[in-house]
Amino acid sequence: EDKVVQSPLSLVVHEGDTVTLNCSYEVTNFRSLLWYKQEKKAPTFLFMLTSSGIEKKSGRLSSILDKKELFSILNITATQTGDSAVYLCAGGYSGAGSYQLTFGKGTKLSVIP
Amino acid sequence: DGGITQSPKYLFRKEGQNVTLSCEQNLNHDAMYWYRQDPGQGLRLIYYSQIVNDFQKGDIAEGYSVSREKKESFPLTVTSAQKNPTAFYLCASKRFRTAEKLFFGSGTQLSVL
Repeated sequence: EDKVVQSPLSLVVHEGDTVTLNCSYEVTNFRSLLWYKQEKKAPTFLFMLTSSGIEKKSGRLSSILDKKELFSILNITATQTGDSAVYLCAGGYSGAGSYQLTFGKGTKLSVIP
Repeated sequence: DGGITQSPKYLFRKEGQNVTLSCEQNLNHDAMYWYRQDPGQGLRLIYYSQIVNDFQKGDIAEGYSVSREKKESFPLTVTSAQKNPTAFYLCASKRFRTAEKLFFGSGTQLSVL
């Protein structure tokens, strides 16, 4: 059975701290790893990673994939209160002519002033 | 603006009642999805549709039904057979069946009276 495991499940940090969120996956016919941010309701797309060792960056956020060890990390530097959210990791796989996602439980990040 | 609209935002169901959650998209996407999110849990796939007049069961389809009569619309009915319907329901879409990035609506919170 495919599974995506995120750790930690929750995290409280102070503004300005750097955080690392972890995502390990066991996904058959794996194609890509996606990160989403869910602040209140709708998850919003952050990154999609398909190649090992290539870091993707967007402002203070960055992510990298290790396909040998089957994990990804999401780094957030100089955290702000606006970074408080649930961060979802999803493993994407192909099958039956389509592409599907298996989601982890998410990491709830709380950034306090 | 293009996007996915879910309605209502909040819905209450009485015992033995069927309720329907609406999902409309104007992104011209082929594929549409319904996910269920429980507190502290990841997104679990209920149903998905890759083309009009066709849909497939996801991991937790029991007690739910869907239809896809128009490309823009993918309503979800929570039937009385679903014994634990209280959850947050997210609708999503993507451009075509092999596309990787999912776009999400803002969700419907369903509670049982």
